[in-house]
Amino acid sequence: EVQLLESGGGLVQPGGSLRLSCAASGFTFSSYAMSWVRQAPGKGLEWVAAVTGTGGHTFYADSVKGRFTISRDNSKNTLYLQINSLRAGDTAVYYCAKVRGTPVTTYYFDFWGQGTLVTVSS
Amino acid sequence: EIVLTQSPATLSLSPGERATLSCRASQSVSSYLAWYQQKPGQAPRLLIYDASTRAAGIPARFNGTGSGTDFTLTISGLEPEDFAVFYCQHRNNWPLTFGGGTKVEIK
Repeated sequence: EVQLLESGGGLVQPGGSLRLSCAASGFTFSSYAMSWVRQAPGKGLEWVAAVTGTGGHTFYADSVKGRFTISRDNSKNTLYLQINSLRAGDTAVYYCAKVRGTPVTTYYFDFWGQGTLVTVSS
Repeated sequence: EIVLTQSPATLSLSPGERATLSCRASQSVSSYLAWYQQKPGQAPRLLIYDASTRAAGIPARFNGTGSGTDFTLTISGLEPEDFAVFYCQHRNNWPLTFGGGTKVEIK
């Protein structure tokens, strides 16, 4: 059974930093691209970042480019999101999502974690 | 960036009725479009990918059609558990984007 468990969220002041983690199990982690998707309170879904199975290629939404860094440790079956220079507009539930398809990656999200809440406020 | 516009914003229907949801792309995404369902307090669930292929375990009452810029998700015979918010998402190029969502509520 595929399981994705996010952690690391919390309350942080504007300008602060956080590192989110997503522990994966139930599939061959290194074979799949992974992604982060966020959802502001009461709003829709926003794709944030993605990383290939090897970690060799990363992709970002324009709204987070230069502030967020996605990475993975395949030896630990864990996905990360380093979030710097946090703003009020970054307040959201951050979901870790498994990308469908290997070896052909389709960048649809077939499994999701339950999310971790990041609140940016002074 | 490709903008996905979903309509209507809210659809009020009774169980057993047919739901028709629209997703329009600002430029062609070929058939590279997915649909997700999200219930309150839950993570989204993949329903349809590549415009018309049902994901594993998705009932046959969920049907996706379309290509290019115009896509439709049809739910034939709404079940009580189908009432939720539905999102479309493209993977045609970077950045990936989602539509704003359509809420299907009980009338």
